[in-house]
Amino acid sequence: AQSVTQLGSHVSVSEGALVLLRCNYSSSVPPYLFWYVQYPNQGLQLLLKYTTGATLVKGINGFEAEFKKSETSFHLTKPSAHMSDAAEYFCAVSWNQGGKLIFGQGTELSVKP
Amino acid sequence: DGGITQSPKYLFRKEGQNVTLSCEQNLNHDAMYWYRQDPGQGLRLIYYSQIVNDFQKGDIAEGYSVSREKKESFPLTVTSAQKNPTAFYLCASSLGGGGTDTQYFGPGTRLTVL
Repeated sequence: AQSVTQLGSHVSVSEGALVLLRCNYSSSVPPYLFWYVQYPNQGLQLLLKYTTGATLVKGINGFEAEFKKSETSFHLTKPSAHMSDAAEYFCAVSWNQGGKLIFGQGTELSVKP
Repeated sequence: DGGITQSPKYLFRKEGQNVTLSCEQNLNHDAMYWYRQDPGQGLRLIYYSQIVNDFQKGDIAEGYSVSREKKESFPLTVTSAQKNPTAFYLCASSLGGGGTDTQYFGPGTRLTVL
């Protein structure tokens, strides 16, 4: 079955440190890939997405992600964490099945001062 | 301002009651979606609609019902048949129903069964 896995339900970094949130999908067919961010008791906001073309995708708030087909991965990174980055992050994938998105379990990012 | 609105923000229901969650969008999007969010489980698709007067079941449709009589509205009814309805419910919309289309989310409704 097609699925997406986020490694680590909680990640903690210090302010100014590198942020790395991991996402892997399971399918022989590459999907379209999305990262969303959710602040407490709010809806989700798109950070970035990969559909075609350049495999390194830049998004909002200084985040970027690289699609690696050989590793079936789409990890999210940010060079320097800010306190305002503390939130829950969701990786999602789509195989063009009526626009259906399959979400990972989410990773809660904490940023320590 | 264009966007998606959900109401109410908080909803309390007694066991055995049906409740309806509202979702409205003024983005002129064709496709709309309902997700359920539980801690540690990500989002799971309940129902989706790619066009007015048509909708499909998602992965966890049992105990829920929807209608799509207008392009801008996609209400979700949580019926008494839903065994564990306490959750955070998110509505989303996208321009079309394609896999590359970005889904835009509303602020959510938190449903608690007393």
